[in-house]
Order: sequence, then C-alpha cells, then structure tokens
Amino acid sequence: DQQVKQNSPSLSVQEGRISILNCDYTNSMFDYFLWYKKYPAEGPTFLISISSIKDKNEDGRFTVFLNKSAKHLSLHIVPSQPGDSAVYFCAVNNDMRFGAGTRLTVKP
Amino acid sequence: GAGVSQSPSNKVTEKGKDVELRCDPISGHTALYWYRQSLGQGLEFLIYFQGNSAPDKSGLPSDRFSAERTGGSVSTLTIQRTQQEDSAVYLCASSLALRTGTGYTFGSGTRLTVV
Repeated sequence: DQQVKQNSPSLSVQEGRISILNCDYTNSMFDYFLWYKKYPAEGPTFLISISSIKDKNEDGRFTVFLNKSAKHLSLHIVPSQPGDSAVYFCAVNNDMRFGAGTRLTVKP
Repeated sequence: GAGVSQSPSNKVTEKGKDVELRCDPISGHTALYWYRQSLGQGLEFLIYFQGNSAPDKSGLPSDRFSAERTGGSVSTLTIQRTQQEDSAVYLCASSLALRTGTGYTFGSGTRLTVV
C-alpha cells in the first residue's frame, strides 16, 4: 500500500506569497521524509528532507514541518518564485514509492 | 560519471517489439531504482537493486518487464512485446543506501513511445 499520499494535485500561488504543499503518511516506521522537485522533461531532483526525530528543517526559502501525531508533512516555500513552478513529490526513505505529486504554479 | 546516465533519451518502437533501456548509475552507489511516469501520472516504482541482494521486483506491472544489474553497476530494463500502454518516461535513480536522508539522484529518463 502507498505509504504517502498527496491529496492536492495542483496549487497556484502569487509570486512572493507562501506555497504550502502537503503530504500524509500511514506507516510511522521511517527514518526520513524527503521532498523532490520535478521540471518537465527532467528527472526529479532531491530538494529537502527531515529526520523522524525532528519537527522542522529549514533550508533557505524551503522549510519542512513534520507533525507526527497527525502523520502529516508539509513543505513551505516562502517567498515563492516563478522558478519554483514544478511538480513536488514526497517520499519516505525506506519505501521506494512516491506520492502522486502536486503541481505548483507560481504566477508572476 | 558525475550523474546518472540513461540511454537512449528517446525511443520510438512498434507495438510487439522488445526494447532495452540502459541506466549507468553514479559510481559507488549501491542502490539503483527504476520508475516510470506515464502522461499525467505520478512516479510509479518498478524495481529496486541493492548491492548483491535479490532485487525487489514488486512494482513490475507484468512479466513482460524485467531488469538486471550487471557487476553492481549498469542496469538494463527490458520490455518484451511492447504495448501502447507501455509508453511513458522511464526514470532510473541511484543512491548510496536505502536509509538515507539525502535522497536519490535521478537520470533524465528515457521517453518510450510505442506506436
């Protein structure tokens, strides 16, 4: 069964505003959650991860929040830029399956 | 090489023909994965190799699909008797180990079109 679920297929935000991408998971046995970004005609690229023992990891404009009680993960991008427009996938490190992805569009 | 290399980048084949897709992972990466992305769909896991262990084939959609990894390095994904529904971008990735927080490195993919 799919361990991670991304229930929003798309998200559109204005440049400069915050983008929030969500991911829910079912199995708590993992070491890391990971986010990947994919542009058209390219392979996905690793973006940021968070350890299961943390509740927040920040890297520049990107912050991952982990809510273990809710089994919920979110990626915040602030401020959003047009170059962030891509499909974002979440995954857990001990399962090769990815979420279905959320297509983010940042409008200038 | 510096990244994961896949060949060919594009492949058009006739229905019923066999195709071979090649993946050259990052040197030293023990784990290798195959995925595919059909039009408008997410990433579908196909198969996973880790060192000398038996591969995890649980994602292969049918027995027409097979993969091997020779010498713990290069991998070949073979699709026999291709069907139109096999048309997709086939992505290969590699990593140092499964339990890592640094993610996989993906190749640019092979776009397969079955006509």
